[in-house]
Amino acid sequence: EDQVTQSPEALRLQEGESSSLNCSYTVSGLRGLFWYRQDPGKGPEFLFTLYSAGEEKEKERLKATLTKKESFLHITAPKPEDSATYLCAGVGGNNRLAFGKGNQVVVIP
Amino acid sequence: DSGVTQTPKHLITATGQRVTLRCSPRSGDLSVYWYQQSLDQGLQFLIQYYNGEERAKGNILERFSAQQFPDLHSELNLSSLELGDSALYFCASSGGTGYNSPLHFGNGTRLTVT
Repeated sequence: EDQVTQSPEALRLQEGESSSLNCSYTVSGLRGLFWYRQDPGKGPEFLFTLYSAGEEKEKERLKATLTKKESFLHITAPKPEDSATYLCAGVGGNNRLAFGKGNQVVVIP
Repeated sequence: DSGVTQTPKHLITATGQRVTLRCSPRSGDLSVYWYQQSLDQGLQFLIQYYNGEERAKGNILERFSAQQFPDLHSELNLSSLELGDSALYFCASSGGTGYNSPLHFGNGTRLTVT
């Protein structure tokens, strides 16, 4: 069964303090690795798709990277509005999207 | 705004009852997915429809069923409700059948079973 594990579960950052979120996956025949952002009371919002090891994608203060076993979401100089739960998900040969439980990030002004 | 609309936002009902959750996908999207999110389990895939036909099934209980109508909106029916069915139910849509295009999620229906 495909599995996606995210760490740390929760993270408190000072504004401007850069950090990285980890997503370890065991997804057979990985076809895509997705990052989503979820705010309280809202549905997940799409951020990035990564397709192959070595690929990187950036959006504002966020940068996602992918290796053969894990993905990282780097948050550079975060602001309070970056506070959210970040979800990682992988899809493999079974064409089912498997989500991790998320990294809850709080950025303190 | 993702363009995916879910109603109702909140639903409170008693054990043993039946409820229907509704989802309107983004304009032009043919695939609809249903997910259940609870605190301890995270997002769990329930079922996918593509252009009116069931495409994939996940961890959906036999007490649950879904359908997608000709106008592409979808409904998730939950029956013989139990306390453990309390959760957030999300609908998502995409343009294709697989995951080549990302899923766009609605804001969910929060179901509370008392």
